[in-house]
Amino acid sequence: NAGVTQTPKFQVLKTGQSMTLQCAQDMNHEYMSWYRQDPGMGLRLIHYSVGAGITDQGEVPNGYNVSRSTTEDFPLRLLSAAPSQTSVYFCASRGTASSYEQYFGPGTRLTVT
Amino acid sequence: TQLLEQSPQFLSIQEGENLTVYCNSSSVFSSLQWYRQEPGEGPVLLVTVVTGGEVKKLKRLTFQFGDARKDSSLHITAAQPGDTGLYLCAGSEGGSNYKLTFGKGTLLTVNP
Repeated sequence: NAGVTQTPKFQVLKTGQSMTLQCAQDMNHEYMSWYRQDPGMGLRLIHYSVGAGITDQGEVPNGYNVSRSTTEDFPLRLLSAAPSQTSVYFCASRGTASSYEQYFGPGTRLTVT
Repeated sequence: TQLLEQSPQFLSIQEGENLTVYCNSSSVFSSLQWYRQEPGEGPVLLVTVVTGGEVKKLKRLTFQFGDARKDSSLHITAAQPGDTGLYLCAGSEGGSNYKLTFGKGTLLTVNP
């Protein structure tokens, strides 16, 4: 099983550029989420989705957009990258919102110059 | 947003030693999870505790949830170099489990 996959693994952007971080899971999970991990800050929730067509904001949503058109995919869009968005981004999924077993992807390391 | 404080932030020990790391909050959690993260990888779930006073064991790792569901501990017996990693605790608010709040982690290094 592939589990949760993320692409790209590394990305460098210039300030103001846009890009989409891809996340896919093959476990038919309803719940998917995006986190960012910064040194000394732990993991912080950006956006989450409890099913196709349903998304909501987490702790740090500003500067990020998401959509969930299929169960498998949950892309994260940066419309105008800023240096403050330099971070490691993790996508995660679990069966349902009430499930405890959560699986993380390998992460995307993003640098904005 | 509920805050989870982990201590110590860093821990370096010799192989064979025992250790305990802590996860504390002033708020009550409906469930609490422990993850281990290795460099360049995503966190991997170790355990979920949901009942106050609950104790779970995973080989040499023992997890305890406080009676009041405000704190948790992870005890490792006879640590091995393979235990090296970042240990994260995460708790869910109320009963929804929609949003997990993570602590900042304890970075454990076990030297051979």
